[in-house]
This record gives sequence, C-alpha cells and structure tokens, in this order.
Amino acid sequence: SYVLTQPPSVSVAPGKTARVSCGGNNIGTKSVHWYQQKPGQAPVLVIYYDSDRPSGIPERFSGSNSGDTATLTISGVEAGDEADYYCQVWDGTSDHYIFGTGTKVTVL
Amino acid sequence: QITLKESGPTLVKATQTLTLTCTFSGFSFSTSGVGVGWIRQPPGKALEWLALIYWDDDKRYSPSLKSRLTVTKDTSKNQVVLTLTNMDPVDTATYFCAHRRGGVYYFDYWGQGTLVTVSS
Repeated sequence: SYVLTQPPSVSVAPGKTARVSCGGNNIGTKSVHWYQQKPGQAPVLVIYYDSDRPSGIPERFSGSNSGDTATLTISGVEAGDEADYYCQVWDGTSDHYIFGTGTKVTVL
Repeated sequence: QITLKESGPTLVKATQTLTLTCTFSGFSFSTSGVGVGWIRQPPGKALEWLALIYWDDDKRYSPSLKSRLTVTKDTSKNQVVLTLTNMDPVDTATYFCAHRRGGVYYFDYWGQGTLVTVSS
C-alpha cells in the first residue's frame, strides 16, 4: 500500500518560513491535500490539489509537489499556526484515501 | 452551511461491536458525487482513513479493517452509520466523519469527532 512519510516535528521562529515535507513514491504524479489540526479540534483543509487554498485560508499557506516530495510552506509564521499538519492523497487504483504520518509545527 | 456531527457510545468493551452515527446538514446524498467518509485518530497518533460511502451507495473500505467495517446511509434522515466489529483496546480513538464534494478527492468539512474508548 502507498505510504506517506512526514517529519515528526518542525520548529520555526515567528515571522520565518516553515516547510513541511510529505514523501511518497512518485507523489508528484498524485494530487496532495493538506490539513491543519489544532489540539482537541477537527482537521481543517488548508491546501488542496497541491497548491490551491480554500477560501478563508491565509495566503501565507502554499504548497508544491514534484518527484517524490510534496511540501507545505507557511510564510511569515504566526503563533496561531502552531498545530499538527497532515498530507493526504487519493489512490485512484483502489479508490482509497491515505493520510501522512503527521508533522507537529512548533513556533519558538 | 455544511455541518456534520458524530454520535455514539463513548465506552465499549473488547469484542463488542461499535456503532457510530454521523448526522449531517447542508448537503444531500441526492447530489451526484457526494460522499461521507470516516477517519479515526488514536490519542497522540495520526489520522487513519476507514471508509467512504458515495451518493449511489457505493462503498470503499480501508484494506486493513475491511473485514470488520460496514458503512451504510439513510438518505431520508441525512445520516451515515459506521459499524466496527470485534473492538479491541487498540481501536480506542477519536472517530470523525467528513464530507467529500463530488469530483474531488479530499474532505472539506469535518465533524467535531467523538472519542471512543475500548476497555479490556
């Protein structure tokens, strides 16, 4: 089965840029979606189809996807961005949904 | 406005069957392509996709849990029901239901989740 691997944690100073990776075999050929989850809350979609932002999501959130790695980038990080972030893809062969291992973003 | 809410027992015993209901509003299974998925999250761990039911009653299950899972829908009540048989303490998790819009492959609205604890 398809596996998505994320770093367990990323630390970033306020105002700086955080990059969260999501590794998978030829992930560049799939569409990647990203969710933000704060403690005790449900996940919130922040990026869909690699780089699109839902309405209400700040422009500070962006995404890219190529080769074996997709990346969520948070520019000008704010304290409120501290959360767990999950990538997700759809396996078209089996029609299954796959989540990444998750990354905790800590704002120093 | 789309909303979803999970309901069901907070505590079940090992070997029992878990039945959870997702009650939703703001969309309908009458709309082509719509789906409702179930995702769970053990305490401190990652999200795990479990199942999805489509507007046309087609269903998909996680391969690792397929033998224990059943998902059904009641279109008239705007509800989706998930059953998970032979519960084990490792099934302790927060269970979420989520909306999938037709033609896309992500979940754009989620319920608040419900924590289910399995006692041995």
